[in-house]
Amino acid sequence: GQNIDQPTEMTATEGAIVQINCTYQTSGFNGLFWYQQHAGEAPTFLSYNVLDGLEEKGRFSSFLSRSKGYSYLLLKELQMKDSASYLCAVRATNTGNQFYFGTGTSLTVIP
Amino acid sequence: DTAVSQTPKYLVTQMGNDKSIKCEQNLGHDTMYWYKQDSKKFLKIMFSYNNKELIINETVPNRFSPKSPDKAHLNLHINSLELGDSAVYFCASSHRMTDAYEQYFGPGTRLTVT
Repeated sequence: GQNIDQPTEMTATEGAIVQINCTYQTSGFNGLFWYQQHAGEAPTFLSYNVLDGLEEKGRFSSFLSRSKGYSYLLLKELQMKDSASYLCAVRATNTGNQFYFGTGTSLTVIP
Repeated sequence: DTAVSQTPKYLVTQMGNDKSIKCEQNLGHDTMYWYKQDSKKFLKIMFSYNNKELIINETVPNRFSPKSPDKAHLNLHINSLELGDSAVYFCASSHRMTDAYEQYFGPGTRLTVT
């Protein structure tokens, strides 16, 4: 099976930097994805990593270490609108390339 | 233009009823999915469809059945609804099952069973 762990809640200050960690255990790893979900809305894609290293997309960056089964999402210059749930998802080839989601990290940005 | 659409957005029904949720994508994707998100916000895969064939069927009750009339549509039929079926159901699509393409989600259908 797939085991994906994320912190349940985090709080950070507007303008600051926050790092959301995700650890996973899976067979047939085929990519790690980060999604943002605002309350009452659908998840929206943020970034993905297939190879080790850092992927940067504007204020968002995502890092992957496959040997450690570890990823993080880095959010810079936090804005109030970044308050949302951040979902880590792993794609696994041993189950037909399904996506398996973590329980999500609820981020609250405070002034 | 909406990329992935679902209808209805809200569905309130009684136990024992049969209901359907429709999903359509206009992205030209060849794989579609159904997810269930419970009250704890955990998003769990239910079904995946690739080129009108069911690829993976997770351990969901057989009261749930996906129907795909064509590549752009994946509908979800639910028979004999139970209280525990209350959740938000999301449809999603992606390019191919074999590549690391991201998924695009529909707006969700909030199902309440009374």
